[in-house]
Parts: sequence; structure tokens; C-alpha cells
Amino acid sequence: DQQVKQNSPSLSVQEGRISILNCDYTNSMFDYFLWYKKYPAEGPTFLISISSIKDKNEDGRFTVFLNKSAKHLSLHIVPSQPGDSAVYFCAALFGNEKLTFGTGTRLTIIP
Amino acid sequence: NAGVMQNPRHLVRRRGQEARLRCSPMKGHSHVYWYRQLPEEGLKFMVYLQKENIIDESGMPKERFSAEFPKEGPSILRIQQVVRGDSAAYFCASSPVAQVAFFGQGTRLTVV
Repeated sequence: DQQVKQNSPSLSVQEGRISILNCDYTNSMFDYFLWYKKYPAEGPTFLISISSIKDKNEDGRFTVFLNKSAKHLSLHIVPSQPGDSAVYFCAALFGNEKLTFGTGTRLTIIP
Repeated sequence: NAGVMQNPRHLVRRRGQEARLRCSPMKGHSHVYWYRQLPEEGLKFMVYLQKENIIDESGMPKERFSAEFPKEGPSILRIQQVVRGDSAAYFCASSPVAQVAFFGQGTRLTVV
């Protein structure tokens, strides 16, 4: 039972344009959401998070949007840069429990 | 403040041997998580521990796998009698509370 889903396994975006990565979840009890970035042979790196009491959180080029009624969140990266090429995982949390991850989206930024 | 330290980075074991993966959490972090990433797959939760306690082991295979986080020293993920299907990258993460978790570089286990 995949509670956190990333339906696009890969995405290619031109450098300078906006990258939009999507994530859906099924468990309405999740109250905290995170995005991680992962390069090959390295551990995931925390990018940005959002609490369920908010609908938007922005940090530099990264913005996360949360639509609770649709159980959907998205990560916007603008402008996209070559160094953004990586696998992006969304993750969700309920209370004091473990992080539940999606399967990841491989983002490729085309110069 | 050093990050989450995992060792070894690479581990090769023959079928039937034991694998021990170590994770030293960030200073001040009392929550440790282990995740496994199989080739071409996402991160799968294995176990969540706090000092001397297993909080959630719902992702751990019932046999051959065990984990501990003692009062002193690193967290250990132990795999007995390894099989080819255990070959994967194993990631440890730590957090001060159950929110943002910081990951180590991972241990890549290869069973030959």
C-alpha cells in the first residue's frame, strides 16, 4: 500500500525554466511533508518542508505547495539549474512516526 | 557538528555471511531510522529506533534482520546469512524529534 506516490518517474526541463515535481498521498493523517534531493551514491539531502497548517512555503528558488483537499503537494524550482539534476523524493509524516517516502522523480535539467 | 556517519560505505559479503552496518547519528539526535533502496526503487522504511528502544519495525523482514540503538555507541543494522536479494543501499537517518531527518551517505551492500 503506497501511501505516498510520485507518479512521474522522470522529468526533463530546460535550464532557466520552471521544474514542477508532484506528489500525492492517501493518508489524511499526515501532518508534515518534506522534499529530499538525492545524487547518485549519496544520501538524500533535506530541501524544504511544509506543515499541514500551511499551503505554501518558499525558500529561495524552491517553493512547496500543499493542497490538502486534493491530498497533493508539489515542489517548484525556478529557475532550474544544471545542479538541480537529481532524484527528488517527497516524504510525509504523522505525529511521532516514521517518514514515508515516495518512489522518487528523476529530474534532468537540459543546458 | 558532524553529520550522520555511516560505515562502511561499501561492504561485500558472500552468501551466508553476516553483514553489520553502523550508523552514528548527529550529536543530540535520539531518533534513528534505517531505509533501504533497491536498484531502481525508492526508499523503503525498515525500522525506527530511539535510544534502547525499537519504536517501529514494520518494514523489517521477519527473519535474518535486526537493529539496535544502544545507550552508548552507534546504531547497528545486522543482516544474518545474507542472500543476493539483500544487495542494496542502506541509509540511516537521524533527527532530534520526529520531523526533519538527516541522512548519512549510505552503505552499499553487495552480496556475491
